[in-house]
Amino acid sequence: GAVVSQHPSRVICKSGTSVKIECRSLDFQATTMFWYRQFPKQSLMLMATSNEGSKATYEQGVEKDKFLINHASLTLSTLTVTSAHPEDSSFYICSARRGGTAYYEQYFGPGTRLTVT
Amino acid sequence: ELKVEQNPLFLSMQEGKNYTIYCNYSTTSDRLYWYRQDPGKSLESLFVLLSNGAVKQEGRLMASLDTKARLSTLHITAAVHDLSATYFCAGPGSWGGGADGLTFGKGTHLIIQP
Repeated sequence: GAVVSQHPSRVICKSGTSVKIECRSLDFQATTMFWYRQFPKQSLMLMATSNEGSKATYEQGVEKDKFLINHASLTLSTLTVTSAHPEDSSFYICSARRGGTAYYEQYFGPGTRLTVT
Repeated sequence: ELKVEQNPLFLSMQEGKNYTIYCNYSTTSDRLYWYRQDPGKSLESLFVLLSNGAVKQEGRLMASLDTKARLSTLHITAAVHDLSATYFCAGPGSWGGGADGLTFGKGTHLIIQP
């Protein structure tokens, strides 16, 4: 159990366009979802935290208007990269957490590799 | 703000040898995570350490947590090639105060040679 999926797994887009990435918890309800970004050969950096039905909390230095996060249900969060530029090219990974006694567990999705040309 | 430091960042070792990866963190934390990442892949959860003195073992990997020293270790016993990967430690805590988003160390790139 506790499977998280992401779609798409890879996406190539042109500079100036917007890209939406979906993160789904397949077999549990996620009270909180997290979005991370990983540049090549670097660590993961938390971008934002989203809770179902409320506004996302963004980390310092992450542009809210550029990285739009929507957590419309307990099983789906989306990250939209607006007006993408080559410097937004990265590996985006989501994770999901369910409430209750397993609050400490985070389940990671397989990631989405974004290339902006 | 939690800061997490790993060392070494790069480790090349021979099969059959033992080694330890260290993870220091800057503020009080009630839990510590270890993950493995293979090239081009996402994270695989290895251990979640929830209390001071916690020790967990899975195969050739053993992790421990000392909350007083703010130190966690990942020990590799009799390494085999399949353990070659990048290993991350992480703790809960973020600048934005989000509900336990993780702060990651820089990762230890481990290469195990025959």
